[in-house]
Amino acid sequence: EPEVTQTPSHQVTQMGQEVILRCVPISNHLYFYWYRQILGQKVEFLVSFYNNEISEKSEIFDDQFSVERPDGSNFTLKIRSTKLEDSAMYFCASSRRRSDLGEQYFGPGTRLTVT
Amino acid sequence: SQQGEEDPQALSIQEGENATMNCSYKTSINNLQWYRQNSGRGLVHLILIRSNEREKHSGRLRVTLDTSKKSSSLLITASRAADTASYFCATDATGTASKLTFGTGTRLQVTL
Repeated sequence: EPEVTQTPSHQVTQMGQEVILRCVPISNHLYFYWYRQILGQKVEFLVSFYNNEISEKSEIFDDQFSVERPDGSNFTLKIRSTKLEDSAMYFCASSRRRSDLGEQYFGPGTRLTVT
Repeated sequence: SQQGEEDPQALSIQEGENATMNCSYKTSINNLQWYRQNSGRGLVHLILIRSNEREKHSGRLRVTLDTSKKSSSLLITASRAADTASYFCATDATGTASKLTFGTGTRLQVTL
């Protein structure tokens, strides 16, 4: 069964450093998402992406964040200058249809630790 | 106000019993989805129910949706120790069509 994959599973970085989190969505999916979950808190929406552009983004997704689909398979989240409060589990998700019409499938997550 | 609040926050039952988790939300929705998360792991999609549906079944799962009360319930019948996890509802609100808003989750513990 196709799955969303994410790398790395765990990333440790120092404050102020740039990180790139990588995701390979399910191959026939067209809509892509990033969410994050700070330890013990809710899963929060960051950004959605369709047709090579951002569809919607949350207040969390400020100028420090960017997303890219550099080729036909990868979907990346970049944090330019990490802060301590960026420490969280980051989940990539994809769906074949818009989220009002179909399920979103999540990857296993990347645990980001900013020291 | 927060979209998506589950209750109870924690539920402990014995294997073989049924587990019922509830979710309330604030806005009009296109659909509501339930996810499961094992500790520290990813989110596994369980079931989606559309706003025009009232009940849906999948294996041992039964989901109901009451849009007039803005609430949903997830019933797991004949629970197993392997069902131990956190369960989240997530709503796709009308007017957005590209994001899910998650609830706070119910931690289910199934003991032998």
